[in-house]
Amino acid sequence: SAVISQKPSRDICQRGTSLTIQCQVDSQVTMMFWYRQQPGQSLTLIATANQGSEATYESGFVIDKFPISRPNLTFSTLTVSNMSPEDSSIYLCSVALSRSPGEQYFGPGTRLTVT
Amino acid sequence: GDSVTQMEGPVTLSEEACLTINCTYTATGYPSLFWYVQYPGEGLQLLLKATKADDKGSNKGFEATYRKETTSFHLEKGSVQVSDSAVYFCALSDQGYQKVTFGIGTKLQVIP
Repeated sequence: SAVISQKPSRDICQRGTSLTIQCQVDSQVTMMFWYRQQPGQSLTLIATANQGSEATYESGFVIDKFPISRPNLTFSTLTVSNMSPEDSSIYLCSVALSRSPGEQYFGPGTRLTVT
Repeated sequence: GDSVTQMEGPVTLSEEACLTINCTYTATGYPSLFWYVQYPGEGLQLLLKATKADDKGSNKGFEATYRKETTSFHLEKGSVQVSDSAVYFCALSDQGYQKVTFGIGTKLQVIP
């Protein structure tokens, strides 16, 4: 298993600003994921972040809006840029252990409110 | 593309009642199926999984059977407790791939 922490746990931000969310894992993992969970909706994958390569973004998400860094095997950041109220959501990071496809471990999430 | 459909909540049950949360899926291959649970204020955690047809996943008194003929993976528990109150997500992953597709989540509230 893996233990994942996220910072901040919540934030209230003004329109037009940016927020960087940090994700720390207690062990080295290759694959990390960033999700968005909007109120009353399911989890939507934003991007997959593998160490040593550029993040792979899902349809509807672009690097200019959600730049991701993955400097090592235990850490990643997601930045939500030029925020609008529509970005209000819970942002989750997760990791996959390669021996169990589809089995992921999630952080507690970052609750973002944009005013 | 892959998709997961699960019953919308909220579901409210009295303690010791039986629980069934329906889940059906659409996938091109032979996916692995999962139930994740999100307790209040916490991140998602894997509850159980099944990787091939007719497999039964079980954990903490919850069970789900991989039914290929009906493309279903319904979650069941014979006697729920207040501590089971949470949001339950059905999910799938195509064989060999790490990408997971989630259902909308079903909120369960168990009252004493």
